[in-house]
Amino acid sequence: SQTIHQWPATLVQPVGSPLSLECTVEGTSNPNLYWYRQAAGRGLQLLFYSVGIGQISSEVPQNLSASRPQDRQFILSSKKLLLSDSGFYLCAWNGNGFYGYTFGSGTRLTVV
Amino acid sequence: TQLLEQSPQFLSIQEGENLTVYCNSSSVFSSLQWYRQEPGEGPVLLVTVVTGGEVKKLKRLTFQFGDARKDSSLHITAAQTGDTGLYLCAGVGGTSYGKLTFGQGTILTVHP
Repeated sequence: SQTIHQWPATLVQPVGSPLSLECTVEGTSNPNLYWYRQAAGRGLQLLFYSVGIGQISSEVPQNLSASRPQDRQFILSSKKLLLSDSGFYLCAWNGNGFYGYTFGSGTRLTVV
Repeated sequence: TQLLEQSPQFLSIQEGENLTVYCNSSSVFSSLQWYRQEPGEGPVLLVTVVTGGEVKKLKRLTFQFGDARKDSSLHITAAQTGDTGLYLCAGVGGTSYGKLTFGQGTILTVHP
């Protein structure tokens, strides 16, 4: 069966520090991978998506970047965090987009 | 840009009552999904509807996709305290690599 792992679960980082959040998927190949950010229990905003290794599309201009070094690995990064980067970050995957996503358990990032 | 308007934003009811959550758009979606999310966790897929006019039932939950595939509703019969959570609708457009557009969510609280 397919599983998705996202870590860490919580992170407190000072302003100006770097960030690396990792997401890996098991039990499938060539998944579409997504990074979303969610504000305080509300809807999700798509940050990045990837349809293959090294292929990254950005949805909104921001202080973050994403990379896909392996088929089932998706990384969200920042060189220097801002206070506004605080939020709940979710990784997700699907096979064809039509029938729904499987989400990771999320990372709560607090920038102080 | 495809937008999904979800209403109401907040719903507070007593156990045993019925409720309906609406998801509306001016855009056509190839499929529409409903998710439920608990605090501190990722959303979990409840259902996907793909055909205009489609109705799906999941125990006490009834999901409907509008004939024109622009809107959807979630009806819960005889709500239970375990139904408490954030409900999100999300749509897949025609040429979007499976990217989901999310509504802003409905926070449902069911009181005993």
